[in-house]
Amino acid sequence: SQTIHQWPATLVQPVGSPLSLECTVEGTSNPNLYWYRQAAGRGLQLLFYSVGIGQISSEVPQNLSASRPQDRQFILSSKKLLLSDSGFYLCAWSSGVGISNQPQHFGDGTRLSIL
Amino acid sequence: GNSVTQMEGPVTLSEEAFLTINCTYTATGYPSLFWYVQYPGEGLQLLLKATKADDKGSNKGFEATYRKETTSFHLEKGSVQVSDSAVYFCALMENYGGSQGNLIFGKGTKLSVKP
Repeated sequence: SQTIHQWPATLVQPVGSPLSLECTVEGTSNPNLYWYRQAAGRGLQLLFYSVGIGQISSEVPQNLSASRPQDRQFILSSKKLLLSDSGFYLCAWSSGVGISNQPQHFGDGTRLSIL
Repeated sequence: GNSVTQMEGPVTLSEEAFLTINCTYTATGYPSLFWYVQYPGEGLQLLLKATKADDKGSNKGFEATYRKETTSFHLEKGSVQVSDSAVYFCALMENYGGSQGNLIFGKGTKLSVKP
């Protein structure tokens, strides 16, 4: 069966520090991968998605970047964190075959607090 | 553009009460519709889905019917339990070749069930 792992679960970082959040998927090949942010009192905002190695699409301009160095690995990064980067970050995957109707499956999330 | 609108919460019910969470959508084509649930401190879990008009998705006693004429996908449950306390997200997925399976989420509705 397929599983998705995110780490760390919780992270506290000072303003201006770098960030690296990692997400890996097991049990499937060539998944579509997604990074979302859930800010307090708001819904989910799609940040990045990827349909293959090295292919990243950004949905909103921001202080963050994403990379996909391997088929089942998706990394969210920042060189210098801002206070506004605080939030709950969720990674998700969906089947890359027959995109239509394929649900997304989410990891447990990383709660990021910027001090 | 495409969008999802959910009733604002929080919704507070007594155990065994009837639940309805309204969801309406705007889409240019024929999207697939989903309900996700987020328990405290966790990621999102797919609750149910419907892929075409008049389809009914159901799971764990929850139901939602895809109503094209009213562009709605309301979530219902006949008798809620304390364990149903969570945030519920309605979402749509565009079904066309270039959509990449991206989900568009509503802002979420927090449900609290009291014993």
